[in-house]
Amino acid sequence: GENVEQHPSTLSVQEGDSAVIKCTYSDSASNYFPWYKQELGKGPQLIIDIRSNVGEKKDQRIAVTLNKTAKHFSLHITETQPEDSAVYFCAASRGGSGGSNYKLTFGKGTLLTVNP
Amino acid sequence: DTGVSQNPRHKITKRGQNVTFRCDPISEHNRLYWYRQTLGQGPEFLTYFQNEAQLEKSRLLSDRFSAERPKGSFSTLEIQRTEQGDSAMYLCASSSTGRGGDTQYFGPGTRLTVL
Repeated sequence: GENVEQHPSTLSVQEGDSAVIKCTYSDSASNYFPWYKQELGKGPQLIIDIRSNVGEKKDQRIAVTLNKTAKHFSLHITETQPEDSAVYFCAASRGGSGGSNYKLTFGKGTLLTVNP
Repeated sequence: DTGVSQNPRHKITKRGQNVTFRCDPISEHNRLYWYRQTLGQGPEFLTYFQNEAQLEKSRLLSDRFSAERPKGSFSTLEIQRTEQGDSAMYLCASSSTGRGGDTQYFGPGTRLTVL
């Protein structure tokens, strides 16, 4: 089955700096890669996603890059703000191909702290 | 679009008791997923429904766990004879079919504590 590794497990930055979180996956058939933000006591909130036919996607201060050959993808947050502090999860899915039924395999998460 | 809702938000029970959680997906989403999340870990897939059909169950889902989605709308997850190891956050997610159908939206979760 799929295995997703996520690094670092904790990340502390100063407000205004950039933050980068990296993930690798093992299943070459995975073709959908979402990122979720989870605040304490809440469910994961989708912040951005990318599909395997795209190498990069950007939404305001958030961007995701995908390297299918190397099987890794990264989340980039620019101009970080204290409200960006949360746990971030990457995930991978086959998107329904091969009978996988769209299930997501998650990394273990990165605790991002943005210091004012 | 009111989002995915889950009830109850918190449940404390004694070992050996049965518990049932409910998930209401985003309206018109015909795919529904259950995940379990323990402290410091990412969510782990438990089971998946398309309409009322349960199409996949993880081996994490022991015989004490059962999930239903009788009319293809809300879903319930029941745990029988709870054990302390069942303590976790149980998350429900839903998605649509068609374009963007792999995008899953999560509810707030039900936190289960087994004493």
